Amino acid sequence: GAGVSQSPSNKVTEKGKDVELRCDPISGHTALYWYRQSLGQGLEFLIYFQGNSAPDKSGLPSDRFSAERTGGSVSTLTIQRTQQEDSAVYLCASSSQAGLVYEQYFGPGTRLTVT
Amino acid sequence: SQKIEQNSEALNIQEGKTATLTCNYTNYSPAYLQWYRQDPGRGPVFLLLIRENEKEKRKERLKVTFDTTLKQSLFHITASQPADSATYLCARNNAGNMLTFGGGTRLMVKP
Repeated sequence: GAGVSQSPSNKVTEKGKDVELRCDPISGHTALYWYRQSLGQGLEFLIYFQGNSAPDKSGLPSDRFSAERTGGSVSTLTIQRTQQEDSAVYLCASSSQAGLVYEQYFGPGTRLTVT
Repeated sequence: SQKIEQNSEALNIQEGKTATLTCNYTNYSPAYLQWYRQDPGRGPVFLLLIRENEKEKRKERLKVTFDTTLKQSLFHITASQPADSATYLCARNNAGNMLTFGGGTRLMVKP
């Protein structure tokens, strides 16, 4: 079946503008994660959704960042009043919680450039 | 906080040799560690998972070890090929299956 998809693949925006990044997880996966990867850096956890539970937002760097997951499927990460330090690749991953161990399946990412 | 440390310097080896990448963690041992491969411009791809009570796990040319005394995992690629060139990420699980990733080690296999 289809893997995790993300859109857009690239986004260039001006400082101060709002952006929305979309993630379509693998069908049937109940867990969804957002990460951020800056140039040459590892993945930084942002937010985690699991089923109908309240999301874990502990990784969001500021209140300018928010995310929603509608109908337990598609998720949107919103960054308000973008800053240059928000420039990074934003990666989405999903996993099935059906087993005891949970590898994560990643999308190709959205490269965000704030000018 | 739980940290994962990987050698940030690139590892250059000759085709056919065994590549060994190191992952060190702090504080308590995680229930499991995961290894991912990431190619430029792409998302990470899951390779192997090893549990705390497992000393070694193999998959084709890949082998992962988990040493809770040293707080370390080693990732081996035997008979390495140029196609193995990529960045390899180590990750530890935290509560809720969230992962903390290391910075990754870039592997270059030269023909």
